[in-house]
Amino acid sequence: SQTIHQWPATLVQPVGSPLSLECTVEGTSNPNLYWYRQAAGRGLQLLFYSVGIGQISSEVPQNLSASRPQDRQFILSSKKLLLSDSGFYLCAWTPKGQYSGYTFGSGTRLTVV
Amino acid sequence: KQEVTQIPAALSVPEGENLVLNCSFTDSAIYNLQWFRQDPGKGLTSLLLIQSSQREQTSGRLNASLDKSSGRSTLYIAASQPGDSATYLCAVRDNAGNMLTFGGGTRLMVKP
Repeated sequence: SQTIHQWPATLVQPVGSPLSLECTVEGTSNPNLYWYRQAAGRGLQLLFYSVGIGQISSEVPQNLSASRPQDRQFILSSKKLLLSDSGFYLCAWTPKGQYSGYTFGSGTRLTVV
Repeated sequence: KQEVTQIPAALSVPEGENLVLNCSFTDSAIYNLQWFRQDPGKGLTSLLLIQSSQREQTSGRLNASLDKSSGRSTLYIAASQPGDSATYLCAVRDNAGNMLTFGGGTRLMVKP
């Protein structure tokens, strides 16, 4: 069966520090991968998605970047965190094909102080 | 641009009640609609996935319907239990295929 892993679960980082969040999927190949952010009191916002290794699409211009160095690995990064980067970050995957549902990871709670 | 709205934003009911959560979307050109459950501080758990060609899906005490032409979906929860307390999110996957647009969620509390 397929599983999605996301870490760390919680993170407290000072303003200006770098960020690296990792997401991996097991039990499938060539998935579509997504990063979403859920800010306090707000809905889920798509940040990045990837249809293959090295292929990244950005939905929202911001202080973050994403990379996909391996087929089942998706990384969310920042060189210098801002207070506004605080939130709940969720990774998700779907198989190829438009009729599939999304499966989400357990999320990372990021607090920038 | 697709917009998804969920009503009500919050709901509090006594245990045992049957309840309906509503979801509406502005662009009917969708592939499917998915209902999720989110517990506080946790990720999203998929409850039901309805393809655009389907009218409803059922899983246990949950039943979701879809009326694509009118841009509406409902999630029906039968015989609610305190363990059903959570935020319920609906999301539509549009015809571009890679975009899942979420509603703002309904925060449900079932009181014992």
